[in-house]
Amino acid sequence: AQSVSQHNHHVILSEAASLELGCNYSYGGTVNLFWYVQYPGQHLQLLLKYFSGDPLVKGIKGFEAEFIKSKFSFNLRKPSVQWSDTAEYFCASTGGSGNTGKLIFGQGTTLQVKP
Amino acid sequence: GAGVSQTPSNKVTEKGKYVELRCDPISGHTALYWYRQSLGQGPEFLIYFQGTGAADDSGLPNDRFFAVRPEGSVSTLKIQRTERGDSAVYLCASSPSGGTGGYTFGSGTRLTVV
Repeated sequence: AQSVSQHNHHVILSEAASLELGCNYSYGGTVNLFWYVQYPGQHLQLLLKYFSGDPLVKGIKGFEAEFIKSKFSFNLRKPSVQWSDTAEYFCASTGGSGNTGKLIFGQGTTLQVKP
Repeated sequence: GAGVSQTPSNKVTEKGKYVELRCDPISGHTALYWYRQSLGQGPEFLIYFQGTGAADDSGLPNDRFFAVRPEGSVSTLKIQRTERGDSAVYLCASSPSGGTGGYTFGSGTRLTVV
């Protein structure tokens, strides 16, 4: 079955530090990949997505992610985090045969940025 | 409306009771998804509607869970004989057509079974 795994469950950084959150997916065929963010008390919001084309995807708020097909990875990066980036981050994929668009989520990574 | 609306935002119920959770998607979105998010976990897929029909209900955990979307807009997730393990945040998302992203999530209903 298709799955998504996030390696870091809880990350603590100081402001201005660089961020990289790992994400690996299991499906070997065509996949669509997403990163969502959930700020405290708010709903899930899309940070960025990859469907095809340039494997380096730029999203909102200075985030980017790189799709590396050979590694089944889609890691999220940000060069310099801010306190306001404190949130939960979810990697997700769709795809597979008979793609219905249902999202398969990773467990999530809690990011805490210290001022 | 401008977003996906879910009601109630919080629901506390006693074990064994029946509950209904409502999702009002973005107008014109034909695809609607329900997910369940337990504490410390990512959302898990429950069911997908394309229009009025359930196109994929493979994520429903057992026959106590049922969902409908009779007119292709509002959807109701129904849970019978609730158990403490059903406690979670139930999320709804809609998209224009499904299959290609473009999802908008609601804020969820936090269900607590006591």
